[in-house]
Amino acid sequence: DVKVTQSSRYLVKRTGEKVFLECVQDMDHENMFWYRQDPGLGLRLIYFSYDVKMKEKGDIPEGYSVSREKKERFSLILESASTNQTSMYLCASSFVTQGYGYTFGSGTRLTVV
Amino acid sequence: LAKTTQPISMDSYEGQEVNITCSHNNIATNDYITWYQQFPSQGPRFIIQGYKTKVTNEVASLFIPADRKSSTLSLPRVSLSDTAVYYCLVGDGGATNKLIFGTGTLLAVQP
Repeated sequence: DVKVTQSSRYLVKRTGEKVFLECVQDMDHENMFWYRQDPGLGLRLIYFSYDVKMKEKGDIPEGYSVSREKKERFSLILESASTNQTSMYLCASSFVTQGYGYTFGSGTRLTVV
Repeated sequence: LAKTTQPISMDSYEGQEVNITCSHNNIATNDYITWYQQFPSQGPRFIIQGYKTKVTNEVASLFIPADRKSSTLSLPRVSLSDTAVYYCLVGDGGATNKLIFGTGTLLAVQP
């Protein structure tokens, strides 16, 4: 079964820490995405990447950066975690070919204290 | 980017057919219509996708009128386990037209 795997299901970090969220997909997808999901706000796109070493800002990139050194791995980095970054983080991937749907990971629930 | 409008919530009973309609007046020629399902504490799951007319799979049907300005997700004979949030999205999902999620429709199925 094809998979998008997020490294942690739950994380608790302190304010000011540098946080790495890892995502790996085994489907040879070109596109990868990071979303955050908060109650009442739905899913909001943070960053996406359509190729190795390529990245594009989504709707809410402030306070985040990303890294894509290999096709199968897309990392989200919180440079200095803050309490307003407490959220559910979801990684997704897809083929670049027009019209294909996304495959999502199970999510990482991050709490910043 | 085309935006979508769908009801915030819907109620149903087990065994009923449920139709969730989504409007997308600004859909572009290259856009597909895609529906996702999300259970609490899980990532969204792809349900169905279409471009025009009707698409059916083992889970649902998707009806798209000729003008493509709306679409209807049809879930036959829902069960309690179909209680979830359903998202309607339009786009081609590529680098220049990424999918934008709205707040979705919370479907509550009661016994």
